[in-house]
Amino acid sequence: AQSVTQLDSQVPVFEEAPVELRCNYSSSVSVYLFWYVQYPNQGLQLLLKYLSGSTLVKGINGFEAEFNKSQTSFHLRKPSVHISDTAEYFCAVRSGSSASKIIFGSGTRLSIRP
Amino acid sequence: GAVVSQHPSRVICKSGTSVKIECRSLDFQATTMFWYRQFPKQSLMLMATSNEGSKATYEQGVEKDKFLINHASLTLSTLTVTSAHPEDSSFYICSARDQGGSSSYNEQFFGPGTRLTVL
Repeated sequence: AQSVTQLDSQVPVFEEAPVELRCNYSSSVSVYLFWYVQYPNQGLQLLLKYLSGSTLVKGINGFEAEFNKSQTSFHLRKPSVHISDTAEYFCAVRSGSSASKIIFGSGTRLSIRP
Repeated sequence: GAVVSQHPSRVICKSGTSVKIECRSLDFQATTMFWYRQFPKQSLMLMATSNEGSKATYEQGVEKDKFLINHASLTLSTLTVTSAHPEDSSFYICSARDQGGSSSYNEQFFGPGTRLTVL
């Protein structure tokens, strides 16, 4: 069964500093990988996704993630964060089968300090 | 892009009553929809997979008689929380998978969520 591990429950960083949110997945088949952001009291917004092809995926709001099959990782990065990036970030995985479902990691709370 | 709506966005009910939440795909057809539950400061947990015209598939530990799912059309799935209790208070999020397109990957879109508070 597929699963997702987000190693950090909270990540505090200073404004304009770089950030990396870690995500590791476990799956025995081909996978699709996602990062979602959830602002307080709101629904989910898709940041980016990896389906196939280039391992470096660029998303919205200046975020990018790199798919690393050998390390089964899909870490999210941003070179310079803003106060507005304060939110909960969820990594998610879905297997490549047609009947697959999206499974979410436990989430990482990114807090930006001025 | 494709839009998934949920109604209501917020609902407060008394303990023991039933609450129905609607999930609609507005500009695409979805033979498969998913229902998630999110408790405060926690992740989204998949409750069930809803298939149009057939019975829903529930995840382990989810009571199918308490959380009734009906997927009567290609654009509508409903979740009914029966005999709700305070511990059912949560954020319920639906998701719909777009069955259109020619690729093997079908995009999945999320609704804005419904916050249920049971007094």
